Amino acid sequence: KQEVTQIPAALSVPEGENLVLNCSFTDSAIYNLQWFRQDPGKGLTSLLLIQSSQREQTSGRLNASLDKSSGRSTLYIAASQPGDSATYLCAVRKPLNRDDKIIFGKGTRLHILP
Amino acid sequence: NAGVTQTPKFQVLKTGQSMTLQCAQDMNHNSMYWYRQDPGMGLRLIYYSASEGTTDKGEVPNGYNVSRLNKREFSLRLESAAPSQTSVYFCASGTRSFNEKLFFGSGTQLSVL
Repeated sequence: KQEVTQIPAALSVPEGENLVLNCSFTDSAIYNLQWFRQDPGKGLTSLLLIQSSQREQTSGRLNASLDKSSGRSTLYIAASQPGDSATYLCAVRKPLNRDDKIIFGKGTRLHILP
Repeated sequence: NAGVTQTPKFQVLKTGQSMTLQCAQDMNHNSMYWYRQDPGMGLRLIYYSASEGTTDKGEVPNGYNVSRLNKREFSLRLESAAPSQTSVYFCASGTRSFNEKLFFGSGTQLSVL
């Protein structure tokens, strides 16, 4: 059974610092991995999607990497800002027979200190 | 530019009452999903619909039913609400490709007393 783990559950970082969020998964047979952002009381917003054949994806100050063989992904946030405060979730898409599934981690709650 | 719209945003029910959560998307997506989010449990898939006319169970389907009314709309029904169904419910849609991005609604906060 595929399990997705995000450690730490919460993180506080001073503004301006670069930071890394971690995601690990138990089964390397995935189609892709997505990183999402969730603001309090809101739905999830897709930030980056890395296909299984890719090593990384970049969008602005965000860079996501994928190492399938070790079952790990990282989300790098450069020059953090208070507006980056949110919960970040990763999710892997794994085929299950004919019906593929998206499995979410529980998220890392990030607080950027002004 | 509505995206995925869920109604209602908040609901309080008494044990045993029934209700339907509505979801509509305007992006012409094939697949639609219902998730629940609970503290410490993360997001769990209740039901999904890969295309109009099809629905399948997810991880936690007991106590719920769904209807894919047309390509745009996917509703979730609680026939006899229980306190264990107190949660935040999210609807999502996607293109049903292997590399689809999911688009989420803003959620329904449901309390069952």
